[in-house]
Amino acid sequence: GENVEQHPSTLSVQEGDSAVIKCTYSDSASNYFPWYKQELGKRPQLIIDIRSNVGEKKDQRIAVTLNKTAKHFSLHITETQPEDSAVYFCAALYNTDKLIFGTGTRLQVFP
Amino acid sequence: DTGVSQNPRHKITKRGQNVTFRCDPISEHNRLYWYRQTLGQGPEFLTYFQNEAQLEKSRLLSDRFSAERPKGSFSTLEIQRTEQGDSAMYLCASEIGTGQGGYTFGSGTRLTVV
Repeated sequence: GENVEQHPSTLSVQEGDSAVIKCTYSDSASNYFPWYKQELGKRPQLIIDIRSNVGEKKDQRIAVTLNKTAKHFSLHITETQPEDSAVYFCAALYNTDKLIFGTGTRLQVFP
Repeated sequence: DTGVSQNPRHKITKRGQNVTFRCDPISEHNRLYWYRQTLGQGPEFLTYFQNEAQLEKSRLLSDRFSAERPKGSFSTLEIQRTEQGDSAMYLCASEIGTGQGGYTFGSGTRLTVV
């Protein structure tokens, strides 16, 4: 079925530490995996994405890794800052036509 | 404003009433999606359009819900005979049309059914 599992549901880290959020998808044909950040009361915003032809992508302090065999992908945030605090959603593209989202991870970065 | 626009931002309605929401996508985007988001959950797919054609509707979607995109530009989502369980944030997103790119979301319409 169309399912994306996301863990953990909440994550608290000290400023400067790293944060890792993991997702698992069910459709082996999925080939596109974006990550969205949603601040309280605001729209989800795309922060990074990865396609199935690469295993890792990095953009400054944010990186995403993909393991197609295991159908896992992860978001890594290094040197976390208080403004990184938000809810993060992973998603996978199903049937090449719609994104299915995970349940979200609430990240809190304490100064 | 070149982003995705949704109206109204908030809607409070009594149970049993009908409501209609509007989404104006980014002008060059051919695909338009509707999602529903409840507190503490990720966006849940409802339906999507390629230009004016509605290509998929979630099996979980009640027949009280209907969406249109008559001219391939803006879209409307109507909920008939609203129920308290319909209370949620309704998000619209658009994508250029390949089905392979990141979605741009609107700010959503928050529906409260009392």
